[in-house]
Parts: sequence; structure tokens; C-alpha cells
Amino acid sequence: EIVLTQSPATLSLSPGERATLSCRASQSVSSFLAWYQQKPGQAPRLLIYDASNRATGIPARFSGSGSGADFTLTISSLEPEDFAVYYCQQRSNWPLTFGGGTKVEIK
Amino acid sequence: QVQLVESGGGVVQPGRSLTLSCAASGFTFSSYGMHWVRQAPGKGLEWVAVIWYDGNRKYYADSVKGRFTISRDNSKNTLYLQMNSLRAEDTAAYYCARSSGYYVSGTYYMDNWFDPWGQGTLVTVSS
Repeated sequence: EIVLTQSPATLSLSPGERATLSCRASQSVSSFLAWYQQKPGQAPRLLIYDASNRATGIPARFSGSGSGADFTLTISSLEPEDFAVYYCQQRSNWPLTFGGGTKVEIK
Repeated sequence: QVQLVESGGGVVQPGRSLTLSCAASGFTFSSYGMHWVRQAPGKGLEWVAVIWYDGNRKYYADSVKGRFTISRDNSKNTLYLQMNSLRAEDTAAYYCARSSGYYVSGTYYMDNWFDPWGQGTLVTVSS
């Protein structure tokens, strides 16, 4: 099973700041990695797939990068609605696995 | 618009069974693979099971293999999760989610990204 490790667990930032979230895989997943956003009481929402492609309707301030085992989700300038938990997920191997999440909170 | 609506959650005793449903609308259900993903209270996401668009292939997480069965009825645009021998650790919100597929040289592949998700249904296993 591929283990995804997200860091940091919590990121405390102010609106307008840049957020950089990391996801590291226990083995290469090529570019088969996605990012999801989850707000309290809501289902997750797909943000990024195939490491760097924004899903439909996702604002350009969200970007993904990386390949192999190291990936980054960047939010260029945090909006109030961006404070949430973010998960990475790989589809390279079965079983599909998620990282433990990074909570982006208001400082 | 694309919509997934789960139902069937509730409180169930350990060892008992429960069946979840996911009603799909706004898209051609029979053309998409479907997943179940769960989230224990206050915890992260765990993929549970997948079924191909035609029901011919299924995969399960080791934690539910042999106890849970995923199925679909394309005539009713509905996905199911039959859960047997439930345990306390199965307590979670259960989400259904859609995945797209594509053909390469005549072979069908699923992208296995989850988009969109339903709102979830809560299953509590407790005596």
C-alpha cells in the first residue's frame, strides 16, 4: 500500500498569504496524484488531478506541482473561503490511498 | 446538474448488516465508475470500494474485503454498498463519488479521481 504523508498537519496563515502544502508518497506515483478540499460539514471537492491540472471551476490561485514521490499544492493568495482541510490522493496503485490531511487555519 | 444522494445510514449493532444507496442524476450513470469513500468522525478519508461502469470489475480495501459488497443497478441509476458483520471501526460518514473512464487502444481505464461526491450518510455501529 502506498502511504501518503502530508505536511504540515496545520498551517496558520492570514488571508492574502501564500500557502504551500506538501504530500510525499512512500514510492513513486508518477503524476497520478490529486488534491481535495474539505470544509466542515461538507463533502470533499476535487481541486487538482494528475498532479497539476485544475478541476472544472477551480480558481487559478490553486496550483499543483510535482511528480514521482513529492508533490505540492500552492494557494497563491488565501481567500477567506480557502480555510479548510486539504487531502492528497494517489491512483497509481490499488488500494487508492489518501494522505492524512493538512488543515489551513486562520492565523 | 450532476447530483449524488446517499441514503440508508443509521445506528446498527455490531455484527449486523446495513445497505447504503447512492442515487445518481444529471449524468449518464452507466458510463461512469463509482466509489465509496468513508470518513470516521474527526478523521481522514479512507477509500472503501470501486465498481466499474458495467459492474464487471470491483476492488475493495483490505479493511472491508469479505464483509462489504459494492453493486450497481444502471437501470435505476443507483449504487449500493452492502455492509455485513459491521464493527465499531466501520463507524463513519460514507460518501459515494464518481470517476470518469477512457479508452486506450480499445481498453477501458478509470481515472479514479473522485468528482463529484455525494453529501454522505452516517453509519454508527454501536451496541
